[in-house]
Amino acid sequence: SQQGEEDPQALSIQEGENATMNCSYKTSINNLQWYRQNSGRGLVHLILIRSNEREKHSGRLRVTLDTSKKSSSLLITASRAADTASYFCATDDHNTDKLIFGTGTRLQVFP
Amino acid sequence: DTAVSQTPKYLVTQMGNDKSIKCEQNLGHDTMYWYKQDSKKFLKIMFSYNNKELIINETVPNRFSPKSPDKAHLNLHINSLELGDSAVYFCASSHATAPGLRPDTQYFGPGTRLTVL
Repeated sequence: SQQGEEDPQALSIQEGENATMNCSYKTSINNLQWYRQNSGRGLVHLILIRSNEREKHSGRLRVTLDTSKKSSSLLITASRAADTASYFCATDDHNTDKLIFGTGTRLQVFP
Repeated sequence: DTAVSQTPKYLVTQMGNDKSIKCEQNLGHDTMYWYKQDSKKFLKIMFSYNNKELIINETVPNRFSPKSPDKAHLNLHINSLELGDSAVYFCASSHATAPGLRPDTQYFGPGTRLTVL
């Protein structure tokens, strides 16, 4: 299966702490995306990083990509209770038009 | 000003019934998708359409039939519903404008929770 895997499956932290989630994938990619899903809602796009980029920032989010290790990380700094959600990485299948989603990390931020 | 909308939000039905889920996007995107998310939150693509043309058709039972009357709408019809069809179904759209172009940022609808009894 090409499906990416995320680590950890679940993460609980206090407000103000940083949260780091990792994603590993199996095939060559053109880009990798991170999405957030609040409970009972659809996915919301957070950030896209291309295969020729190593790091990207967006507000409190920092994404890294290591294509040699086929892995990416999402760092949320100074977390807030509102960051509580599931986070998914998604890679584009090099040969088709599909996005392959990871298994997700459930993040719980306690106030 | 909803970007991607789906109806209904909840659908509870008996095994063997036929049901439809509707999706509309007002983002001007050319490509629309249907995903299935199971109870473990595993999200998998089912279909994608580009300008009303079927692009991706995963290994989905032929009881599932997507229909795209125009590029702003992609509906999903399911015949002879089975217990295993219970899941949340998400519609999404993106700017990926033609086969072979890399999938761009996708915008998801709120989901339709289907429960088959």
